[in-house]
Amino acid sequence: EAQVTQNPRYLITVTGKKLTVTCSQNMNHEYMSWYRQDPGLGLRQIYYSMNVEVTDKGDVPEGYKVSRKEKRNFPLILESPSPNQTSLYFCASSPWEMNGDTQYFGPGTRLTVL
Amino acid sequence: AQSVAQPEDQVNVAEGNPLTVKCTYSVSGNPYLFWYVQYPNRGLQFLLKYITGDNLVKGSYGFEAEFNKSQTSFHLKKPSALVSDSALYFCAVYGNNRLAFGKGNQVVVIP
Repeated sequence: EAQVTQNPRYLITVTGKKLTVTCSQNMNHEYMSWYRQDPGLGLRQIYYSMNVEVTDKGDVPEGYKVSRKEKRNFPLILESPSPNQTSLYFCASSPWEMNGDTQYFGPGTRLTVL
Repeated sequence: AQSVAQPEDQVNVAEGNPLTVKCTYSVSGNPYLFWYVQYPNRGLQFLLKYITGDNLVKGSYGFEAEFNKSQTSFHLKKPSALVSDSALYFCAVYGNNRLAFGKGNQVVVIP
């Protein structure tokens, strides 16, 4: 089954404790992206990657890191989480098309930073 | 930078009535426009997109959207709403290698 998977689905942590949210897709998509969803703000892009070893900042990259060493994986790293990073996070992937093809979303990771 | 505006936070409609969710966009160059739907505790699901061609685009679950270049709008429509259409709807526009989403509209279909 074609899908985007994220782990963990739920995470409660404390300020400053490094964490990684994994994202994996099995559709051989070139493009992958991370978003955060906050009430009243919709989805905002954190980082995106157009292919292996190619990453770029989205709208709200501060406090986050990403890597793209393999085509299927695109982990999101929070080196020192803070309470303002409490949010719902989505990973997405799509074939790389100049017109921005349909993105496939993972189920989401709800992160709480105390 | 590209952006979309969804002016209404919530849309209430009676079951069986027409449903419209509004979206206006701003982008340089040709607009590539999308609608996604999010059901409770789920990720976003693709509904439809406009790339080129007919201004009326048909998508999943009986939804359609009308592209209007002069008004820079891409409103989502459904002729007869179902209770199961109650969800959060996002409009998005593509530009500069990125998809920009609106704030979302909560649609509540009243039985």
